[in-house]
Amino acid sequence: QVQLEQSGAEVKKPGASVKLSCMASGNTFSTYYMHWVRQAPGQGFEWMGIISPTGDITTYAQKFQGRVTMTRDTSTSTVYMDLRSLRSEDTAVYFCARESDGKVHWGQGTLVTVSS
Amino acid sequence: DIQMTQSPSTLSASVRDRVTITCRASQSISSWLAWYQQKPGKAPKLLIYTASSLESGVPSRFSGSGSGTEFTLTITSLQPDDFATYYCQQYDSYPWTFGQGTKVEIK
Repeated sequence: QVQLEQSGAEVKKPGASVKLSCMASGNTFSTYYMHWVRQAPGQGFEWMGIISPTGDITTYAQKFQGRVTMTRDTSTSTVYMDLRSLRSEDTAVYFCARESDGKVHWGQGTLVTVSS
Repeated sequence: DIQMTQSPSTLSASVRDRVTITCRASQSISSWLAWYQQKPGKAPKLLIYTASSLESGVPSRFSGSGSGTEFTLTITSLQPDDFATYYCQQYDSYPWTFGQGTKVEIK
């Protein structure tokens, strides 16, 4: 059973950075790509990017290029998403997710609030 | 990017109604389509994957069909717990893309 456990809610000021984590259960962590998706309040879902199983390849949505960095630590089965230069529009729930067994598995989400 | 067009955006229905939601992809995604139910403040709940496979624990009144570019989610005999927002998602290729959602409201 795939489980993705995300870090807790964050409150940040505009211009700050936030680093979210997502820990995966199971011993197949290093074989799967991991995605990050966000959902602003009352809005739909927005794909942010993907990181390869070994962490050496990342692809980011153009909208976030230059502001986001995704990394992973295989020793702790954890992926990280660092978002910089936060603005109020970045207030959202951030999800990690991966595809396996033909379906997409999601973390529980982390609320990031950007407010002065 | 693959565009997902979901309709309707809002649907008013009564308990025990049959409900159908449609999702259209801008190019073929084979059967790499999922349907989710979401309630306020909660993570999306997977209902259907690979277009027509019912997720474990999901009531059989939910079903999915389609392949290629046209997909349908059907709820037979709508129940009170089913009033929520539903999203489709393609995971054939990245960037993953999503429909804009269908809010199922009580008539």
